[in-house]
Amino acid sequence: QKEVEQNSGPLSVPEGAIASLNCTYSDRGSQSFFWYRQYSGKSPELIMFIYSNGDKEDGRFTAQLNKASQYVSLLIRDSQPSDSATYPCAVLKAAGNKLTFGGGTRVLVKP
Amino acid sequence: DADVTQTPRNRITKTGKRIMLECSQTKGHDRMYWYRQDPGLGLRLIYYSFDVKDINKGEISDGYSVSRQAQAKFSLSLESAIPNQTALYFCATSDSRRGSGEKLFFGSGTQLSVL
Repeated sequence: QKEVEQNSGPLSVPEGAIASLNCTYSDRGSQSFFWYRQYSGKSPELIMFIYSNGDKEDGRFTAQLNKASQYVSLLIRDSQPSDSATYPCAVLKAAGNKLTFGGGTRVLVKP
Repeated sequence: DADVTQTPRNRITKTGKRIMLECSQTKGHDRMYWYRQDPGLGLRLIYYSFDVKDINKGEISDGYSVSRQAQAKFSLSLESAIPNQTALYFCATSDSRRGSGEKLFFGSGTQLSVL
């Protein structure tokens, strides 16, 4: 089992719809959770982080964390073609103070 | 703008050659990292440094070495390159002094091809 797992996609959504991305992790002691966005051929860019159970909203993005079920989700509301990218999640484990990345979910927003 | 700069952007080399990838940053961050990215796989940590005198192995350090020449400079070396080291390499930084030690800022990447 991978430490951080994501569906590689592509997740195809129509413009204006909600894109829902999921990330599961194996280390129950993980503390902090991050969502990055990576355009093709570019470097990853941090877009959201969440530390506590529940929802955190920032503009059109909402991160949802459920530590009991060991998953973190990212919702993109009112999806735009410019949201077409790969979204890796990253998890900070309890020990070692290092991030572990998932493989990323590729999102395609169709006009 | 404060930035993370990687050189070169692209490099083609032959098996057995020594190669160095360089990273410099003007963000004033204390922590620096080297990751590699392969198609379909997540970013994997090669080495990281929390301070000029601190060097730590990541999950895939075999075949690589690093040098933290200054707070702003962190270089990655492949002593004898092999084809399965063909990948996209990213340098990243973070700032632990503002409670943001795990929020990474990435350079533009170096595409390395080993023939």
